[in-house]
Amino acid sequence: AQSVTQPDIHITVSEGASLELRCNYSYGATPYLFWYVQSPGQGLQLLLKYFSGDTLVQGIKGFEAEFKRSQSSFNLRKPSVHWSDAAEYFCAVGLFFSSGSARQLTFGSGTQLTVLP
Amino acid sequence: DVKVTQSSRYLVKRTGEKVFLECVQDMDHENMFWYRQDPGLGLRLIYFSYDVKMKEKGDIPEGYSVSREKKERFSLILESASTNQTSMYLCASSPVGTPGETQYFGPGTRLLVL
Repeated sequence: AQSVTQPDIHITVSEGASLELRCNYSYGATPYLFWYVQSPGQGLQLLLKYFSGDTLVQGIKGFEAEFKRSQSSFNLRKPSVHWSDAAEYFCAVGLFFSSGSARQLTFGSGTQLTVLP
Repeated sequence: DVKVTQSSRYLVKRTGEKVFLECVQDMDHENMFWYRQDPGLGLRLIYFSYDVKMKEKGDIPEGYSVSREKKERFSLILESASTNQTSMYLCASSPVGTPGETQYFGPGTRLLVL
């Protein structure tokens, strides 16, 4: 079965510093990969996704992620963090259901980001 | 913009009660999902529906059922609520037929079972 690991439960960075959130997946083929963000009291918002092509993906809010097949990783990066980036971040793997009808998302356990002023 | 709405943001119920959580999407999406979110566990799929009256079990369907009578509405039912069903419940919808279909999430319902 597919799985997603986010090894960092909580990360603290200073405003203006760079950020990297780690994500590793386990799956036999190249999956569809997603990063979502959840602000306090809110639902999840898609930051970016990868399904083919260029392995460096640009997303909203200045985020990017790089797919590395050899490392089974899809790490999220941002060169300069803003206080408004404080939130919980989820990596997810997308796969088809056995019926072929749609794609199930398997989520990691999340990384909580704190931004210091 | 896609909008997914959930009937309640907060809900308090007693053990043994029947609980209905409602979700409505306004983008004519074929697929709808119910997840529960617990600290340290991320989101786990409860049920999924790919068409009216069609459903598939997710990873943790025990203790839950679903109903989809209309395309835009997907209900999660707790037949007899238990304290271990205290959680945040998130509904999502997605279209069919495009690569890397995006799931759009509602704001969530935080359920407390006493």
